[in-house]
Amino acid sequence: GAGVSQSPSNKVTEKGKDVELRCDPISGHTALYWYRQSLGQGLEFLIYFQGNSAPDKSGLPSDRFSAERTGGSVSTLTIQRTQQEDSAVYLCASSQDLLGIYGYTFGSGTRLTVV
Amino acid sequence: DQQVKQNSPSLSVQEGRISILNCDYTNSMFDYFLWYKKYPAEGPTFLISISSIKDKNEDGRFTVFLNKSAKHLSLHIVPSQPGDSAVYFCAASAINQGAQKLVFGQGTRLTINP
Repeated sequence: GAGVSQSPSNKVTEKGKDVELRCDPISGHTALYWYRQSLGQGLEFLIYFQGNSAPDKSGLPSDRFSAERTGGSVSTLTIQRTQQEDSAVYLCASSQDLLGIYGYTFGSGTRLTVV
Repeated sequence: DQQVKQNSPSLSVQEGRISILNCDYTNSMFDYFLWYKKYPAEGPTFLISISSIKDKNEDGRFTVFLNKSAKHLSLHIVPSQPGDSAVYFCAASAINQGAQKLVFGQGTRLTINP
């Protein structure tokens, strides 16, 4: 596609429920990244994929968070048993190869609200 | 441990004047720096970058300055325009060390007043 697409754009969920966030990177982009931005905070790195493998998962906050990527394309970020502190904007980005001089192209994000 | 810091949460500038956004970093391994701009309900978009082998990079109204000894960089926008009102994020990476992720600052909200 023309850009990085994320769905849903907004998600309100009850505490304790599981949620799945989807990212469709730019076609041909091999690297895919997940970040999140909590209210008043900067962008916090979660995980990145090179192809379908995730060499760096160091940013995942807890074992309730997991992510996968299939076919070197679409990625899903799953949060199990959501908590209120999970409320944030979850941003996905992709790049043509590993981090290049233009950085990443970001999607518009999924705003997650846990009530 | 906040490796990239933007100490001003907000900045207000008159249209036509110069906007200066600042960013400090602590990790001396960082060798590549970028600025992103973010409008509400949109993802950040790349604005300008600089490698640690340079101390200045210019692109139209935007200039980024890097002071390695002070571990400080700044983004200058001149002249400032109303469309520049957005949140600006500074980001850094250790590309030559094989790092594959950007470390972002907290952002500075820039408001350009007509």
